[in-house]
Amino acid sequence: AQTVTQSQPEMSVQEAETVTLSCTYDTSENNYYLFWYKQPPSRQMILVIRQEAYKQQNATENRFSVNFQKAAKSFSLKISDSQLGDTAMYFCAFMKSFEISNFGNEKLTFGTGTRLTIIP
Amino acid sequence: DVKVTQSSRYLVKRTGEKVFLECVQDMDHENMFWYRQDPGLGLRLIYFSYDVKMKEKGDIPEGYSVSREKKERFSLILESASTNQTSMYLCASRYRGVTTYEQYFGPGTRLTVT
Repeated sequence: AQTVTQSQPEMSVQEAETVTLSCTYDTSENNYYLFWYKQPPSRQMILVIRQEAYKQQNATENRFSVNFQKAAKSFSLKISDSQLGDTAMYFCAFMKSFEISNFGNEKLTFGTGTRLTIIP
Repeated sequence: DVKVTQSSRYLVKRTGEKVFLECVQDMDHENMFWYRQDPGLGLRLIYFSYDVKMKEKGDIPEGYSVSREKKERFSLILESASTNQTSMYLCASRYRGVTTYEQYFGPGTRLTVT
């Protein structure tokens, strides 16, 4: 079974600063996906960024980037030039890669979340 | 845009009542999920459905059941609500396949059992 650990329950940072959210995971799988999901206050959870384990290059999406260290089983999220709209709960999640034998029924395993507050 | 909707944003029920939470998605997704979200515990999977009338238990199925009679609709049922089922319930859906991975979430239902 996979586990995902987010050791920072809460963080806060000044607007325009850079912040890094930590995530570690444990798995015996070699092929998998890692995700960061964002849940703004009273709004729907959305996907921020994903990383395929077989890719060495770290994923980036505008101001969001990850530092993926496969050997260390670490997957941190960096938010650059933070904005007030970045205030949210952030969840790290793991999913095994699709296997034909499982018919694409892989499931996400979530961490406990980090509540990020951007201070004006 | 994919849309996942849930029948209620807020719900208050009494202990022992039968509670129905409904979820509807409009993107013809095969897979649908029900999660429970509690502070400090993250999201925990209650049940999962990969096709009409097909279901699979998640990590915390006790006290819950589900129904999927149509592809777009996935219902979570609390047969006899208890106070420890007070929580935020999130529905999600996703295509089933080798090239898709993004799950789309509903807005959540905050259930209070008194």
